[in-house]
Amino acid sequence: GAVVSQHPSWVICKSGTSVKIECRSLDFQATTMFWYRQFPKQSLMLMATSNEGSKATYEQGVEKDKFLINHASLTLSTLTVTSAHPEDSSFYICSAISTSGGRGETQYFGPGTRLLVL
Amino acid sequence: ILNVEQSPQSLHVQEGDSTNFTCSFPSSNFYALHWYRWETAKSPEALFVMTLNGDEKKKGRISATLNTKEGYSYLYIKGSQPEDSATYLCASTTTSGTYKYIFGTGTRLKVLA
Repeated sequence: GAVVSQHPSWVICKSGTSVKIECRSLDFQATTMFWYRQFPKQSLMLMATSNEGSKATYEQGVEKDKFLINHASLTLSTLTVTSAHPEDSSFYICSAISTSGGRGETQYFGPGTRLLVL
Repeated sequence: ILNVEQSPQSLHVQEGDSTNFTCSFPSSNFYALHWYRWETAKSPEALFVMTLNGDEKKKGRISATLNTKEGYSYLYIKGSQPEDSATYLCASTTTSGTYKYIFGTGTRLKVLA
């Protein structure tokens, strides 16, 4: 149980294009999903928290117009990197928690998406 | 300690050896400490969540302890096997602000056959 999928796993795109990444909870309902980014040799850094049916909450320093997050259902959240540039090249990974929520709640992660912007 | 720190960054051990590594976290406003096992190209797998000082959790050959007063957790692997090779991540949550994980950079373990 508690499986999260993420697609695509790899994407290479040209500078200036937009890229959409999907995160799905396959066997549970997730009112909250999280998007992280990881640069080489660094820790997973939270970009935004996404609640179903409401606007995402972005961490300080993350441009909300650059990284569009949509959480339209209890099983799907999407991250769109708009007008991608080489500095957006990174590893992006999502996670989800079940509807019960709580500060001790375990997050379940997708396998991540590696983005390379040429 | 202001951030979550893990040590060592990486290590190699021989099959059959036991090993341990450390996660240090801010002890103020502590709520929970999570350990994950992350194999390349797979999803991080939740191992343990601990909240109470002195907590000990065990799953097969892997166990973890928690000291919330001094802000550290140890992860132990007994009789390491090649399939234990992975990156082990810890993340803490606090009682203040919004719920979110603060991750360490991980310990990359390679078990040599």
